[in-house]
Amino acid sequence: EIVMTQSPATLSVSPGERATLSCRASQSVSSNLAWYQQKPGQAPRLLIYGASTRATGIPARFSGSGSGTEFTLTISSLQSEDFAVYYCQQYNNWPLTWTFGQGTKVEIK
Amino acid sequence: EVQLVESGGGLVQPGGSLRLSCAASGFTFSSYDMHWVRQATGKGLEWVSAIGTAGDTYYPGSVKGRFTISRENAKNSLYLQMNSLRAGDTAVYYCARAMDTANAFDIWGQGTMVTVSS
Repeated sequence: EIVMTQSPATLSVSPGERATLSCRASQSVSSNLAWYQQKPGQAPRLLIYGASTRATGIPARFSGSGSGTEFTLTISSLQSEDFAVYYCQQYNNWPLTWTFGQGTKVEIK
Repeated sequence: EVQLVESGGGLVQPGGSLRLSCAASGFTFSSYDMHWVRQATGKGLEWVSAIGTAGDTYYPGSVKGRFTISRENAKNSLYLQMNSLRAGDTAVYYCARAMDTANAFDIWGQGTMVTVSS
């Protein structure tokens, strides 16, 4: 079973600052990694897939990088609407499994 | 508008069964792999099951043998039959669509709450 570990659990950032979130896989998932944003009471929203490709309608301030076992989500200049919980997810081709990290909460500093 | 709408959640006793449904609209349902994901209150996301366009199914160990995912393309519907329910299955259950170019989930429903309690 592939385990996804996100860090930190909570990130305190001021509006306008940069936020860097990390995600580590217990074994290589190549570039089969996605990032999601979830706000309270809402379903998750896809931000990034293929480790670095922004989903439709996602602002350019969101960027993803990494491959293999180490991945990063960067929010270049935090806006008020970006304070939320962020999850990484691996979707490795084989064995076919879909595993989420435990989440990183981005809160206002 | 591309949309997924879940239904069928509710209160069930431990050991009981429940069937969730997910109605899809705005896209060619039969062409997409579909998934169920759950989230206990205040907790993270947990993938629950997947079904491919050919009807192939996948489960994590936590629900294998108890949950069954199915689809009815003629009705644009996805289902999750949940048997032998436990308190630990209490969560909001989301249905989600996998992208056709990657296995990430690009469309999510609003979720339906399942509570397992006596």
